[in-house]
Amino acid sequence: KNEVEQSPQNLTAQEGEFITINCSYSVGISALHWLQQHPGGGIVSLFMLSSGKKKHGRLIATINIQEKHSSLHITASHPRDSAVYICAVSRDSNYQLIWGAGTKLIIKP
Amino acid sequence: DGGITQSPKYLFRKEGQNVTLSCEQNLNHDAMYWYRQDPGQGLRLIYYSQIVNDFQKGDIAEGYSVSREKKESFPLTVTSAQKNPTAFYLCASCPRDSLEKLFFGSGTQLSVL
Repeated sequence: KNEVEQSPQNLTAQEGEFITINCSYSVGISALHWLQQHPGGGIVSLFMLSSGKKKHGRLIATINIQEKHSSLHITASHPRDSAVYICAVSRDSNYQLIWGAGTKLIIKP
Repeated sequence: DGGITQSPKYLFRKEGQNVTLSCEQNLNHDAMYWYRQDPGQGLRLIYYSQIVNDFQKGDIAEGYSVSREKKESFPLTVTSAQKNPTAFYLCASCPRDSLEKLFFGSGTQLSVL
């Protein structure tokens, strides 16, 4: 079993829909990261959070440490949000990340 | 503007050949990483370096080598010992003790001829 699991693996939605991507992990962590990978391959860090909730524009990330679960929400989705969204966790005392396999999101106009 | 530059974007390797992927950053970051990405899988760590002239093996270091002679440069060599090198390779960097400021390069797609 992978230490970081994402669901769904693939998600297709219509423009304007509210999107939720989930991430569950089975190890102790110091922080959880959400990243976005565009079709060209480059990766951008969206959020790093260790508790509660963070918001940036139409993106909201939440984490429940007790349940070892995080969600990434996109409000008023747009075709330009189409990308692979990746969850990763960092553990204490090192710089290494444990990566989820990613969720491929397609937003249709 | 600061950032990470990976080159080339596409690279082809012949059987028995070593190839080197370049990664340069002008962000003054201490830590640098090399990841391998295969379709449908999470990123896997090949090597990482937290300081000049020092580096550590990641989860899949066999068949790869690195050097960190300068703070801004962390080249990855895919040796002939790596029997399945076809993958997308990503370089990343961050300041010491700050994964929140993790930056990635645009990646290199390596294929075998």
